[in-house]
Amino acid sequence: GENVEQHPSTLSVQEGDSAVIKCTYSDSASNYFPWYKQELGKGPQLIIDIRSNVGEKKDQRIAVTLNKTAKHFSLHITETQPEDSAVYFCAASMGGGGNKLTFGTGTQLKVEL
Amino acid sequence: DTAVSQTPKYLVTQMGNDKSIKCEQNLGHDTMYWYKQDSKKFLKIMFSYNNKELIINETVPNRFSPKSPDKAHLNLHINSLELGDSAVYFCASSQDSNQPQHFGDGTRLSIL
Repeated sequence: GENVEQHPSTLSVQEGDSAVIKCTYSDSASNYFPWYKQELGKGPQLIIDIRSNVGEKKDQRIAVTLNKTAKHFSLHITETQPEDSAVYFCAASMGGGGNKLTFGTGTQLKVEL
Repeated sequence: DTAVSQTPKYLVTQMGNDKSIKCEQNLGHDTMYWYKQDSKKFLKIMFSYNNKELIINETVPNRFSPKSPDKAHLNLHINSLELGDSAVYFCASSQDSNQPQHFGDGTRLSIL
């Protein structure tokens, strides 16, 4: 089955700096890669996603890049703000067939003032 | 209005008891899911239903039985609760099996 690795497990940045979180996946059949933000006591919230027919996607301060050949994808957050502090999860799915998401192990991002 | 809502938010009970967690979505989605998040925050899928039909059963012990009375509801019943069942359980839904999943805020289950 699919295996998703995520690094780093913790990331501390100064406000205004950029943050990058990286994930690798094992199954070349995976074609959908969402990123979720989880705040304390809340459920994961979808912040951006990318499908395998696209190499990069951007939404304001957030961007995701995908390298299908290397089987890795990354989340980039620019101009970080304290409210960006949360746990971020990457995931991979083959879509269809129940749309099973395999999650990475999470990155605790802390944005310091 | 909450899109995916779960009740209860907290559930504290003793080992051996039977309990249920309810999930409702008002998004008109066809597909619903249950995920388990352990103490290390690892998220793993348990079940997926599409239009009340079971699609995914991810080798979950048969003490766990999902039930979907209609496509807007997916409940999770757990028999003979064990210490290892302590976790946060998340319900999610998606328009269909090719669309993004939206999560509820979780039910924290604590077994004494």
